[in-house]
Amino acid sequence: DAKTTQPPSMDCAEGRAANLPCNHSTISGNEYVYWYRQIHSQGPQYIIHGLKNNETNEMASLIITEDRKSSTLILPHATLRDTAVYYCIVRASGYSTLTFGKGTMLLVSP
Amino acid sequence: DVKVTQSSRYLVKRTGEKVFLECVQDMDHENMFWYRQDPGLGLRLIYFSYDVKMKEKGDIPEGYSVSREKKERFSLILESASTNQTSMYLCASSSGAHEQYFGPGTRLTVT
Repeated sequence: DAKTTQPPSMDCAEGRAANLPCNHSTISGNEYVYWYRQIHSQGPQYIIHGLKNNETNEMASLIITEDRKSSTLILPHATLRDTAVYYCIVRASGYSTLTFGKGTMLLVSP
Repeated sequence: DVKVTQSSRYLVKRTGEKVFLECVQDMDHENMFWYRQDPGLGLRLIYFSYDVKMKEKGDIPEGYSVSREKKERFSLILESASTNQTSMYLCASSSGAHEQYFGPGTRLTVT
């Protein structure tokens, strides 16, 4: 699986968009970008994934650069409940397991 | 919504005890996983299962075993608990190639 680099922490004001970056310069052609988050003392929660195209669901949007070497997770209107550690993971699809790095601690403040 | 439940949120056991952690999912998923999570080490895979009675070792299987007798249930067994197995244990399930759904976790303390 490709290695990912994320900032250790970020701050965001409530109601504003949170843009969380992830670098994955060694990504292979068959590898997807996944985002999970983990709220304190809870299990991780799947957010979104993508291969090449930008993706959007009810939780977030995923923007992947054309060269696929980096991506950004966007929470359009962050709330206090979005405070969590966000993990960017790159891996091939199929039944391979997840490897979580250290992630980005997002703190949403009033 | 997918629901993955784990038998206990908190558990305290003594060194040498046999410990059973149970995980149940209600979405008929084929795949189930056991991870442990420790500060500074991230999430590490212990065992996973693609089908009933099937199991595969993950990255850190030593000191653990698993059982999957029914599709919805995946058990993690610590044959003889040790203090270095004090950790947060997370169960997950998935139906296909992408997202995994996690349970709330069991925080196990071995004294």
